[in-house]
Amino acid sequence: AQSVAQPEDQVNVAEGNPLTVKCTYSVSGNPYLFWYVQYPNRGLQFLLKYITGDNLVKGSYGFEAEFNKSQTSFHLKKPSALVSDSALYFCVLGNYGQNFVFGPGTRLSVLP
Amino acid sequence: KAGVTQTPRYLIKTRGQQVTLSCSPISGHRSVSWYQQTPGQGLQFLFEYFSETQRNKGNFPGRFSGRQFSNSRSEMNVSTLELGDSALYLCASNGGGRTDTQYFGPGTRLTVL
Repeated sequence: AQSVAQPEDQVNVAEGNPLTVKCTYSVSGNPYLFWYVQYPNRGLQFLLKYITGDNLVKGSYGFEAEFNKSQTSFHLKKPSALVSDSALYFCVLGNYGQNFVFGPGTRLSVLP
Repeated sequence: KAGVTQTPRYLIKTRGQQVTLSCSPISGHRSVSWYQQTPGQGLQFLFEYFSETQRNKGNFPGRFSGRQFSNSRSEMNVSTLELGDSALYLCASNGGGRTDTQYFGPGTRLTVL
């Protein structure tokens, strides 16, 4: 069975500091992975995805994610956090021929 | 290109009623997926339609149904509403390829009283 874990419900970081939002996954076969962000009362916005190739994926708004197959992880990172990055972040797992599976979400708070 | 649109944005119903939600995908997208988002269960997949056919289905009771029209617009229907159906219902569209990015609409907030 495929699953996604986001071990931290909440991440707090000071503005200007680097941020990391963690994600681990479990799947049989080759995964493809996404990160989405959700602002209050809004739908989900696509940030980036990994299908194959370079393990470091660059996305929107200065975010990037590192795919690590041996650790089955896909952590989201940003070198310098902004207050406007405060939102709910979802790691999403796809598997060929299967449905998308969402992680439980991590609430990021960037403190001024 | 216009994004995914969902109507209505907010809806209040009472138990036992039925409701229909609508989703218009991005132009050219043939796949529409529906999700339910609640604080307790998170985001759960309801079903996916591709070229007017249901291609995948999640683990929801038969009270939840959907359809897709020839222009790719999709509707979701919930019959005999229960309090637990209160949620944000999100629709997403993509081109239909398995690794395609899904683009989400703003959602319909359903409240069941």
